[in-house]
Amino acid sequence: EDKVVQSPLSLVVHEGDTVTLNCSYEVTNFRSLLWYKQEKKAPTFLFMLTSSGIEKKSGRLSSILDKKELFSILNITATQTGDSAVYLCALTQGGSEKLVFGKGTKLTVNP
Amino acid sequence: GAVVSQHPSRVICKSGTSVKIECRSLDFQATTMFWYRQFPKKSLMLMATSNEGSKATYEQGVEKDKFLINHASLTLSTLTVTSAHPEDSSFYICSARVGTRGYAEAFFGQGTRLTVV
Repeated sequence: EDKVVQSPLSLVVHEGDTVTLNCSYEVTNFRSLLWYKQEKKAPTFLFMLTSSGIEKKSGRLSSILDKKELFSILNITATQTGDSAVYLCALTQGGSEKLVFGKGTKLTVNP
Repeated sequence: GAVVSQHPSRVICKSGTSVKIECRSLDFQATTMFWYRQFPKKSLMLMATSNEGSKATYEQGVEKDKFLINHASLTLSTLTVTSAHPEDSSFYICSARVGTRGYAEAFFGQGTRLTVV
């Protein structure tokens, strides 16, 4: 069965720390991997990755995909309390409308 | 980015009643909308894909007679939970896609917390 596994499930850090969130997957016919940030309600889109080794960057957030080892990481540098959220990893597959989500990593950034 | 509005954000209903949740794309036309369900500490699970003007496509294990989806216009899709039971209590989220673009263009509503008592 296809699956998306995120780790850790939760993480507590102090402001200023750097964190790395992991997403590994086993799916057939992989098309793309997406990262979302979910605060109290709706997930908001962060990155979409389709090619190995190309880092996507937005401010303090960056992400990269390794299609050989079947994982992606999301890095957040100089964390702030506003980064506290659940970070979701999701996959799309060729020929399917589905977004397959992992369970998410709950990040808490303390002042 | 595009805005998707979902209403209501929270609803409490009695067991056996029906609840309608609306999902609107405010500044774009959404040919495809998706309905997800999320249990505490669990993944977002796709329930169904709603295409404007045609029947929704339900995921395996989702009862189409219980979760009625209507996508009558390019800006509105509704999910009706019929004869709700406590086990239907969950967080329901819709997302809408712009045209036929990829998932980077799928925007999520704020979600609806349904509690059936």
